Amino acid sequence: QVQLQESGPGLVKPSQTLSLTCTVSGGSISSGGYYWSWIRQHPGRGLEWIGYIYHSGTTYYNSSLKSRVTISVDTSKNQFSLNLNSVTAADTAVYFCARNRLSGTSYWFDPWGQGTLVTVSS
Amino acid sequence: SSELTQDPAVSVALGQTVRITCQGDTLRNSYASWYQQKPGQAPVLVIYAKNNRPSGIPDRFSGSASGNTASLTITGAQAEDDADYYCNSRDSSDDHVVFGGGTKLTVL
Repeated sequence: QVQLQESGPGLVKPSQTLSLTCTVSGGSISSGGYYWSWIRQHPGRGLEWIGYIYHSGTTYYNSSLKSRVTISVDTSKNQFSLNLNSVTAADTAVYFCARNRLSGTSYWFDPWGQGTLVTVSS
Repeated sequence: SSELTQDPAVSVALGQTVRITCQGDTLRNSYASWYQQKPGQAPVLVIYAKNNRPSGIPDRFSGSASGNTASLTITGAQAEDDADYYCNSRDSSDDHVVFGGGTKLTVL
């Protein structure tokens, strides 16, 4: 079955760019009908959707983060990536990647990566 | 963008039935999905498209919807159901994805 795994630095300095990669195994990122998302969870808090990308490169971002976020895809490596620039301590969170699907009026995320904690600190 | 509202905490006696609710305007036009999250783990999808269970999810989990409210029902709660539960849906007006704030379920 499809599995996702996040990778990237666990510590980022303020004002710098947070960069994470999600590697997809057990299936092709180019499979039609699926989108690929980044979601984060601040310590002890709920889930916040960051954005998604389709294998064609079409993206959609949470408007609250849109000015700082870029999501890209590398179909040859079966990976997609997150860049979040100008980070502050408020960006400290566990970052998850997930596959998502839209069908009719339904939208869901499955599966999820295990998540990676990114701390913003000098 | 719209919001989804969940009760912060709910408790249920072992073996009893519990309903967790999620309210929001987006639910008038789209079905909720539900996720279970245990400490230190990633969320796991338990219900999608109103009342569909992924493979491996016990049939004690079910979903329903009415108006602006979606519900997750656990019939015969087990100790392993003690977890946080999140709902999510899509706001068709702006294509945003929204999550509820989460409900901490305690199985007594």
